[in-house]
Amino acid sequence: QQPVQSPQAVILREGEDAVINCSSSKALYSVHWYRQKHGEAPVFLMILLKGGEQKGHEKISASFNEKKQQSSLYLTASQLSYSGTYFCGTEIYPGNTPLVFGKGTRLSVIA
Amino acid sequence: KAGVTQTPRYLIKTRGQQVTLSCSPISGHRSVSWYQQTPGQGLQFLFEYFSETQRNKGNFPGRFSGRQFSNSRSEMNVSTLELGDSALYLCASSLTLGNTEAFFGQGTRLTVV
Repeated sequence: QQPVQSPQAVILREGEDAVINCSSSKALYSVHWYRQKHGEAPVFLMILLKGGEQKGHEKISASFNEKKQQSSLYLTASQLSYSGTYFCGTEIYPGNTPLVFGKGTRLSVIA
Repeated sequence: KAGVTQTPRYLIKTRGQQVTLSCSPISGHRSVSWYQQTPGQGLQFLFEYFSETQRNKGNFPGRFSGRQFSNSRSEMNVSTLELGDSALYLCASSLTLGNTEAFFGQGTRLTVV
């Protein structure tokens, strides 16, 4: 079952913050986040596991609410290099079910 | 180390033809997944292979098939091509199944005319 991402697209000015949400109708074991820049392959950002802690690296972090079956990606003080399409991927039973991605959120950061 | 290699990078085929796409995963990776990417639809899951066994299959017609070889290289085949099959086909390799980072190839851009 494909997770639902919101918003579909967002435009930011450099330095602004953004939140991208990912929700599932099924109980999740893990949520994965990837970023794809135009014309490039998707690149891994982070995995959040059930029962695990919020993850983050500098200005990009994420949370996973298991009860609500939702994850959020937080981008703070955005930079031009953050532009791209962000995908969340969800796993229900790792090793038994595939990683299923949402339709993506297109993020554009302008000067 | 070398990344995931997909060949060819671009293909133009005619309706009704068939096509085979190839994916060489990162050395040591045993899991390969395939995704179809079209504008507005995100990454649609096609197949997942691990140690030459198909572990999962997405909701695609039987015209889409795949396999994995003993060296972990994988191929996918689409028969009787339709215009709607035009898409970017991405392959991702992982060390193992589940809970792990996937590394994507650059993809094969298939155009059906």
